[in-house]
Amino acid sequence: DQQVKQNSPSLSVQEGRISILNCDYTNSMFDYFLWYKKYPAEGPTFLISISSIKDKNEDGRFTVFLNKSAKHLSLHIVPSQPGDSAVYFCAASYYGGATNKLIFGTGTLLAVQP
Amino acid sequence: NAGVTQTPKFRVLKTGQSMTLLCAQDMNHEYMYWYRQDPGMGLRLIHYSVGEGTTAKGEVPDGYNVSRLKKQNFLLGLESAAPSQTSVYFCASAWDTEAFFGQGTRLTVV
Repeated sequence: DQQVKQNSPSLSVQEGRISILNCDYTNSMFDYFLWYKKYPAEGPTFLISISSIKDKNEDGRFTVFLNKSAKHLSLHIVPSQPGDSAVYFCAASYYGGATNKLIFGTGTLLAVQP
Repeated sequence: NAGVTQTPKFRVLKTGQSMTLLCAQDMNHEYMYWYRQDPGMGLRLIHYSVGEGTTAKGEVPDGYNVSRLKKQNFLLGLESAAPSQTSVYFCASAWDTEAFFGQGTRLTVV
């Protein structure tokens, strides 16, 4: 049972436009959410995160929005750049029993066209 | 500062063979994780550890064993490799919520 879902396997966007990547989760115990970026043949790298006590977090061109009632979060990239082309993973965690288990979604391949 | 280092980077095994993947971190992190990445499946948690001497099962633990005898090392073992274990394996470590990943190990079981 997939607890963290990314329903769009791929997304193509023009350079300079907004990229919106979506993520849904099913476990209401999750209290922290992260986005990771992955280039081919490399390990994932942390991009941005948000705690469940917030509904928005910004870092430069990247903004994450959290809608707890809908169990949905999204990552906005504005403006998109060709170097943003990568696989983006949504992840969720909770401190249930202090385990800090980190569960990932299936990923979305973002292609930013010049 | 190496961060998270995985050994080896590539390996080909025959069905039934055993092997151990090593993950080493130099950030004094308490939490360590092993994931596998497969097409269309994302990153799936195999086992994890919340500190030296502890291990716990993740989403897909069958066919794997782990050990965390030293805080900086997290070993993933395959006792009898199967073709279904062909994958890219990633190790990660964390002190809180943000995990740092290694470069991955590409394992092929033939």
